[in-house]
Amino acid sequence: DAKTTQPTSMDCAEGRAANLPCNHSTISGNEYVYWYRQIHSQGPQYIIHGLKNNETNEMASLIITEDRKSSTLILPHATLRDTAVYYCIVKAAGNKLTFGGGTRVLVKP
Amino acid sequence: DAGITQSPRYKITETGRQVTLMCHQTWSHSYMFWYRQDLGHGLRLIYYSAAADITDKGEVPDGYVVSRSKTENFPLTLESATRSQTSVYFCASSLWADTQYFGPGTRLTVL
Repeated sequence: DAKTTQPTSMDCAEGRAANLPCNHSTISGNEYVYWYRQIHSQGPQYIIHGLKNNETNEMASLIITEDRKSSTLILPHATLRDTAVYYCIVKAAGNKLTFGGGTRVLVKP
Repeated sequence: DAGITQSPRYKITETGRQVTLMCHQTWSHSYMFWYRQDLGHGLRLIYYSAAADITDKGEVPDGYVVSRSKTENFPLTLESATRSQTSVYFCASSLWADTQYFGPGTRLTVL
């Protein structure tokens, strides 16, 4: 599975949109982009995934560039409870998840 | 709807003892996984199972044993616990090895 690069940490203001970038320049055509998050001391939580089209659900939006070499997770209205480590993972269907270091997001009042 | 549960949530044991961590899911998912999480290493896959009676090694299987006699249960056994196995253990399940759903974790301390 392709490797991903994410910023180590970022802050965002409560109520504002949080845009989390992820680079995956070596992604293959059959690999999906997954996002998970882990709130302190809890199990990782699935957020969203996509192949090439943009996706939206009740938690977030996923924007994938046309060349698929990068993507952005958007939390539309960040709350204090969104403070967590966010993981961007690229994997083909049927392959196992490989967690990297993620982005530590701190939502500030 | 209980989803995926783990027990115990906290466990303290001594070196050399056998410990079993339990994982139970109510979704009838085919796949189940065990991960450990340590500071500086992130989440690492220990074992996984594609179906009842089918298990396979992950990244760090040494010192662990798994079984899956029923689809809903996937126990992880440390046959002779060592201090290096002090960690937080997460179980996960998925329908077709795609989106995984994680349990709340078991914090294990080996003295």
